[in-house]
Amino acid sequence: QKEVEQDPGPLSVPEGAIVSLNCTYSNSAFQYFMWYRQYSRKGPELLMYTYSSGNKEDGRFTAQVDKSSKYISLFIRDSQPSDSATYLCAMRNTGGFKTIFGAGTRLFVKA
Amino acid sequence: GAGVSQTPSNKVTEKGKYVELRCDPISGHTALYWYRQSLGQGPEFLIYFQGTGAADDSGLPNDRFFAVRPEGSVSTLKIQRTERGDSAVYLCASSPAGGDYGYTFGSGTRLTVV
Repeated sequence: QKEVEQDPGPLSVPEGAIVSLNCTYSNSAFQYFMWYRQYSRKGPELLMYTYSSGNKEDGRFTAQVDKSSKYISLFIRDSQPSDSATYLCAMRNTGGFKTIFGAGTRLFVKA
Repeated sequence: GAGVSQTPSNKVTEKGKYVELRCDPISGHTALYWYRQSLGQGPEFLIYFQGTGAADDSGLPNDRFFAVRPEGSVSTLKIQRTERGDSAVYLCASSPAGGDYGYTFGSGTRLTVV
């Protein structure tokens, strides 16, 4: 079993839809949680980070962490065709050096 | 520089050859990471540098892989006796310190071993 599980999709939604992306994890020591966006043939780009449990909002993006369920989510409101990309969840524990990534969910937003 | 720069962007090599991949991090970033990403997968950790020293090289798959960062800035990932299974995108990332709040990645080097 992988430390971080993420549905690879693809997920296809119409423009303007609310998108929900999720990851589960098994290591209860993870404390830092991140979401990256990756366009084709580009490196991942950091979108959001959260420490421990709770919510964080940045524009159209909201990240949620539920440590009791070992479950994290990213919500995208008013999705745009430019949001079409692969979204990677990532996490690490305090004092750790490596970040563990999910496999990524491929999102398509249709105009 | 403005971002993390990786060269070359693409590299095709024959099985058994030696390759070097270069990473130029953001100026002032002390932490540097190498990751490897295979098709349809997330990045997998290879090695972490804090300054000039490798603080964690536990992700290097075997002794054919080696990385250096002699002056605490540019890093080179070296792969000896390449195998077809080494084909992947090699990503470099940097951060100001430990990277708890995320990294800045380069665009990667796409390595193809034929």
